Amino acid sequence: DIVLTQSPDSLALSLGETATINCKSSQSVLYSSNNKNYVGWYQHKPGQPPKLLIYLASSRGPGVPDRFSGSGSGTDFTLTISSLQAEDAAVYYCQQSLTAPLTFGGGTKVEIK
Amino acid sequence: EVQLVGSGGGLVKPGESLRLSCVGSGFTFNNAWMSWVRQAPGKGLEWVGRIKSEADGGTADYGVPVQGRFTISRDDSRNTLYLQMTGLKTEDTALYFCTYGYLFFSAWGQGVLVTVSS
Repeated sequence: DIVLTQSPDSLALSLGETATINCKSSQSVLYSSNNKNYVGWYQHKPGQPPKLLIYLASSRGPGVPDRFSGSGSGTDFTLTISSLQAEDAAVYYCQQSLTAPLTFGGGTKVEIK
Repeated sequence: EVQLVGSGGGLVKPGESLRLSCVGSGFTFNNAWMSWVRQAPGKGLEWVGRIKSEADGGTADYGVPVQGRFTISRDDSRNTLYLQMTGLKTEDTALYFCTYGYLFFSAWGQGVLVTVSS
């Protein structure tokens, strides 16, 4: 199984700052046939279902603000949230879909100071 | 608008069975790959399993913790996804989400709570 390790476990930042969340895969999630990385990122707030932010490592989901961006390739991926807003307080998860079983990272909690 | 409405959760004893349902609307259900994802209390997200569309074979894949105990099925005539859970364990206690998406989960139900306790 592909194991995804997120870091840090949590971070606390002020409004307007930039959050950087890392996701490291135990093996490459790059599909060589199409050169796409099968990693997505989700935002999860208490009492709500998770929301897809980023798919295929760097494509934003529908309606996702452009302050959310994804990057990386192979085994190392990053979710960047620039100009943090109060509503960005949540837990963020990476997920791989290259091979079953699909797996999630352990999550990163973002708090606003 | 895509909507997923789950039902069937509750309190059961270890070893018992339970079936969850999820009705989808706002998309072409019979073309959709559907998954179940769960979240145990205080824990992160865990993929339970998925079922492909009938056109793509209709087969199901499962996460290791539920392999052999859980079965995912679908009734495209009713736009309904099912999760049959047998041999339930206390560690299966979680909020179960049905999700829609081929590789990534672009829509989620509100979650159905399953509690396994003696």
